[in-house]
Amino acid sequence: GEDVEQSLFLSVREGDSSVINCTYTDSSSTYLYWYKQEPGAGLQLLTYIFSNMDMKQDQRLTVLLNKKDKHLSLRIADTQTGDSAIYFCAEKRDSNYQLIWGAGTKLIIKP
Amino acid sequence: ETGVTQTPRHLVMGMTNKKSLKCEQHLGHNAMYWYKQSAKKPLELMFVYNFKEQTENNSVPSRFSPECPNSSHLFLHLHTLQPEDSALYLCASSQDSGGVGTEAFFGQGTRLTVV
Repeated sequence: GEDVEQSLFLSVREGDSSVINCTYTDSSSTYLYWYKQEPGAGLQLLTYIFSNMDMKQDQRLTVLLNKKDKHLSLRIADTQTGDSAIYFCAEKRDSNYQLIWGAGTKLIIKP
Repeated sequence: ETGVTQTPRHLVMGMTNKKSLKCEQHLGHNAMYWYKQSAKKPLELMFVYNFKEQTENNSVPSRFSPECPNSSHLFLHLHTLQPEDSALYLCASSQDSGGVGTEAFFGQGTRLTVV
């Protein structure tokens, strides 16, 4: 199986909260990232969290990290149509500077 | 605009053609990367250059040949590609390749179609 796993799709209503989940396998992860890719664009760093943190909040974004379960989530409050994109989870391990990527979750906003 | 520019944005090539993808950054970064993005699959790291030296080649077929003439420019030379090589090719740069928490800035990608 893949080292970083995400659901491929998430559909939410405009104005609701979106929660995008990610699981990883390596306990030596140091940083975990969320990147956003809008249609026709490259990836843009949204936020990241250091592995000794449980939560990080930045305006409408909340990142939760459960290191015991190796579970990372991104919550987007008051989801807007502009949030439509693919969201990638990535981890950086202590043993390897390379980022290990998930396959991305496509967020679909329903009116 | 992330500061990383890729050209062309779209490319259609035959299997016998030779073409090159170009990536340029003026962020003062020392590390540059080529990634392959295929639908529903994780991003695949292809090559890493750090201070113009190739530090990583993730078992990429020789029909892909990278070139990094300076720390601001990165090329991917393509030759005798296969239809399964059709994908979005993303270039990225970062301050360096070894720093923990180093943010990578991505270009918009080149959508490559091999016919």
